[in-house]
Amino acid sequence: GAGVSQSPSNKVTEKGKDVELRCDPISGHTALYWYRQSLGQGLEFLIYFQGNSAPDKSGLPSDRFSAERTGGSVSTLTIQRTQQEDSAVYLCASSFKTGGFGYTFGSGTRLTVV
Amino acid sequence: GQQLNQSPQSMFIQEGEDVSMNCTSSSIFNTWLWYKQDPGEGPVLLIALYKAGELTSNGRLTAQFGITRKDSFLNISASIPSDVGIYFCAGQLSGSSNTGKLIFGQGTTLQVKP
Repeated sequence: GAGVSQSPSNKVTEKGKDVELRCDPISGHTALYWYRQSLGQGLEFLIYFQGNSAPDKSGLPSDRFSAERTGGSVSTLTIQRTQQEDSAVYLCASSFKTGGFGYTFGSGTRLTVV
Repeated sequence: GQQLNQSPQSMFIQEGEDVSMNCTSSSIFNTWLWYKQDPGEGPVLLIALYKAGELTSNGRLTAQFGITRKDSFLNISASIPSDVGIYFCAGQLSGSSNTGKLIFGQGTTLQVKP
């Protein structure tokens, strides 16, 4: 597609349930990033994928968070046993190559844990 | 961890006025980026700065990479109503060029009164 597509755009879940957030990057982009944006805050890095290299998971806040990228394209961020503090907008971005230069963000998934 | 201090936190200005915001850090960055985020959307790149002292313009926007590589400012001249949004500075730490992982400021919310 023309841009980075994320789904769902909104998700309300009960505390303790698992959720999966999906990201379709721009075709041909080899680098993919997940960030989290809490209310009134800047973006917090979660995880980074580059081609077939091992992902950089250094930003994942706990072992309840995991992500995978299948076939070098679509990525899924999974949050297990959700907590209220997980409520945030989860943003995905992709770029042609590493370097942080001008990567394109999706519109995000707004997660609300009740 | 490393942080970017962005100020002001919010601004409410009259249409036609000039705007200035800045970011500072105790760490050295090799790249500074300025993004704008509209409600319900992901951030969009406005200006990218790669060299200490670099001054770059994009229409009514001007940004500079501080000579110490620890700060940057963004100016908007002759503001218009569509400038409304949240502006984020973001930087890539020196030595982290292989990942593209960015550190974001907390954002400056700009409101423009017609």
